Amino acid sequence: GAGVSQTPSNKVTEKGKYVELRCDPISGHTALYWYRQSLGQGPEFLIYFQGTGAADDSGLPNDRFFAVRPEGSVSTLKIQRTERGDSAVYLCASSPSSDTQYFGPGTRLTVL
Amino acid sequence: AQSVTQPDIHITVSEGASLELRCNYSYGATPYLFWYVQSPGQGLQLLLKYFSGDTLVQGIKGFEAEFKRSQSSFNLRKPSVHWSDAAEYFCAVAFTGGGNKLTFGTGTQLKVEL
Repeated sequence: GAGVSQTPSNKVTEKGKYVELRCDPISGHTALYWYRQSLGQGPEFLIYFQGTGAADDSGLPNDRFFAVRPEGSVSTLKIQRTERGDSAVYLCASSPSSDTQYFGPGTRLTVL
Repeated sequence: AQSVTQPDIHITVSEGASLELRCNYSYGATPYLFWYVQSPGQGLQLLLKYFSGDTLVQGIKGFEAEFKRSQSSFNLRKPSVHWSDAAEYFCAVAFTGGGNKLTFGTGTQLKVEL
């Protein structure tokens, strides 16, 4: 079946701009996670949704980062006033019941 | 806070040789344990997981891992490596009751010599 999809696969933006990254989870998966992977590092947790609500947003680095999942399916990660340090691969994962997570291919964000 | 250590940043093995990738974790109780593999341009693929029960777990692609509580380790093994196994391997842990958000190690880059 279809896996987790993320769009765009690559995003290049300029410092100070606003970006949105989209995640389509596996159908029926109630849990959705966002992670950020910087070069040479393992992924780092950002936020976790159970259904429509953010159950844990402790990993969001600051208030420039925000994520929504209004209908309990697709999620959008929003970054305001992007900075060069935001450049990374943003990974989305979904899970049927908060145990095993299935990852998408990621969105590579480059902030010039 | 929980943490995961993968002490080997790079490992090179010859095709057909055995492989062991090390993973140690720091956590007050037994967490859920995972190994993921990431090939260039690809997402993370789950190799295997340990939640409870038998401490030797079998995964896909001929990989296995053994949970050793006394050593807080969850090392990944494969008896005979194939050239297609060249990739980056990540160990991850999640603690129960926390929504199972994953904490990853920094990864081990595996190179396979033909």
